[in-house]
Amino acid sequence: GAVVSQHPSRVICKSGTSVKIECRSLDFQATTMFWYRQFPKKSLMLMATSNEGSKATYEQGVEKDKFLINHASLTLSTLTVTSAHPEDSSFYICSARERLADQETQYFGPGTRLLVL
Amino acid sequence: AQKVTQAQTEISVVEKEDVTLDCVYETRDTTYYLFWYKQPPSGELVFLIRRNSFDEQNEISGRYSWNFQKSTSSFNFTITASQVVDSAVYFCALSVENTDKLIFGTGTRLQVFP
Repeated sequence: GAVVSQHPSRVICKSGTSVKIECRSLDFQATTMFWYRQFPKKSLMLMATSNEGSKATYEQGVEKDKFLINHASLTLSTLTVTSAHPEDSSFYICSARERLADQETQYFGPGTRLLVL
Repeated sequence: AQKVTQAQTEISVVEKEDVTLDCVYETRDTTYYLFWYKQPPSGELVFLIRRNSFDEQNEISGRYSWNFQKSTSSFNFTITASQVVDSAVYFCALSVENTDKLIFGTGTRLQVFP
């Protein structure tokens, strides 16, 4: 299957700082990538859909000024958590959609654990 | 609206037992796609299977098999002869045609004991 990488895998930061997380599709081009958030022992919550060359589409309740998304190329999307606070601590997972003929599947990155002190 | 229900929060089995993870979905769309993903303790979601709504054929892949029944809106996942390495959280997900979103169930935590 297709491979998606995320960097960093783990980050600890001080409250008030900004953190950037990268998501890359390694062996395919992804016009669309997705950002999810997962709390411990909970399901994945879609935060936003990232479209290459255009603005991201945010889900209801997700602050677009807080979670900045940039999808500058067909293989890279970034999520920046601005002015992070302890309540932003979570597991952030990206996925990239691969389209083959009429089949499309989302492949997920390994996730980034963010801890805000 | 679309919804995915995984009623089993947690299942514990002993190695070599067979185990079935249930998934029930809701959608009014006639074209939709169903998925299963595995999330081991490391956190990465591993794609297991994709099935479209027009293909009700059951599928077997090694010790894994899937039973898709439109009549009951279910897409159940069976692991035969379970192994300790199967311990993980398993998510069932649904997407409908012309939308980008994957709607996830709440997941079933499977623990396989030696």
